[in-house]
Formats: sequence, C-alpha cells, structure tokens
Amino acid sequence: DTGVSQDPRHKITKRGQNVTFRCDPISEHNRLYWYRQTLGQGPEFLTYFQNEAQLEKSRLLSDRFSAERPKGSFSTLEIQRTEQGDSAMYLCASRLGLSELFFGSGTQLSVL
Amino acid sequence: KNEVEQSPQNLTAQEGEFITINCSYSVGISALHWLQQHPGGGIVSLFMLSSGKKKHGRLIATINIQEKHSSLHITASHPRDSAVYICAVRLETSGSRLTFGEGTQLTVNP
Repeated sequence: DTGVSQDPRHKITKRGQNVTFRCDPISEHNRLYWYRQTLGQGPEFLTYFQNEAQLEKSRLLSDRFSAERPKGSFSTLEIQRTEQGDSAMYLCASRLGLSELFFGSGTQLSVL
Repeated sequence: KNEVEQSPQNLTAQEGEFITINCSYSVGISALHWLQQHPGGGIVSLFMLSSGKKKHGRLIATINIQEKHSSLHITASHPRDSAVYICAVRLETSGSRLTFGEGTQLTVNP
C-alpha cells in the first residue's frame, strides 16, 4: 500500500498520560501536515513539515504537543499530560510540493 | 466568522437528484480543494482548483475568484455519494497549509 498510513487507528488513554502517534507519508512526498478534527467540525491545522524542517506551528499546538520528522520521512506527534479536550481525530496528510494532498485514515484519540 | 463557509450544513436528496454544495471564503486564496470524508475519518481529495471548472465523472467543481465562491455539483446522485464534503482553501497569506470549512453532510436516499 503506497498511501499515507497512520498508527494507531484508535488510542484510549487516561488523563495525564503521554501518547505518541506515527504517520508514514507517501515516500516521495516532501510536505507533511498534521491536522486535528473534532466531531462535526472541519480539520484544524496543527503543524507542517517540509522535509525534516518544521516550518509552521499553529497556536493550537500548546507546549504539551510536539512533532518531529527526523529524517524527512515518517513523523511523530506526541501529546504530553493529555487532557480530555485533546480527544479528537488526528489526521496526517502529505503532498509533493503543492500537488494533490493525500490523507491518512487518522488516529482517533479518546482521553478518559 | 470562519474564513471558509459552507452551505448547506446538511443535505438530504433522493437518488438521481442533482446536488449542489457551496463554499464561500472571505480572503484571497491560492487554491481551493474539495474533499470527501466517509464515516471512520478517511479523507479523499476530489478536486484542487484555482480557476474555472473541473469535472471528474459525475462530479463537477467550479470556482469564481472574483466572487470568492466555489460550488461542488454531483449529477445523478447515488447512495454511495453519502459522505461529508469539505471545502478547504490555501490562503495567500498562509503558505501551504489549508483552512477548512466545517463540511456538508450529504445523505442520498435510494
């Protein structure tokens, strides 16, 4: 499968725990995006990488959130000290330049 | 006020009907995307356009840059078209990231 893959698909955690999500983009795609989506809303931008460089971060991304793309391939998004308000679908997308955007299936996070 | 507004929020149609979903935006854009999201989260890109009109099968997308408005049309709608349709724009001032509308939930009944 050469699409964007995200792992895990679902994550249930207790408030205060740390969680990490992984995104594997399409191999030749240099741009990688993280979005967050809550029920009934459109996705909201979190952060964006061009190759290994994190070029933009949303003000939504508090100090508890960190993202990396160490070798310009896969990316991880970590949330520390999770809160119930972090419950959402976390979507990863990738593209080559400004071409068509391809999305992963997302990671659904539930914080109890 | 959202920078991207979609209408309607919900739309129910009978199989075979012609469907129109609208998207308006308030600032200058470099490109506009129409996306389809099925239950479970998967998002598929339908169109990316910056001017004029594009057609793919039963789907047609148009954009009027001067009026800051785009429409997505579905001809001969089918129950499998039931999904959330999302308009997203790349703002002139926002680099390459997208700003999304809230989506239109389409239900096509047989």
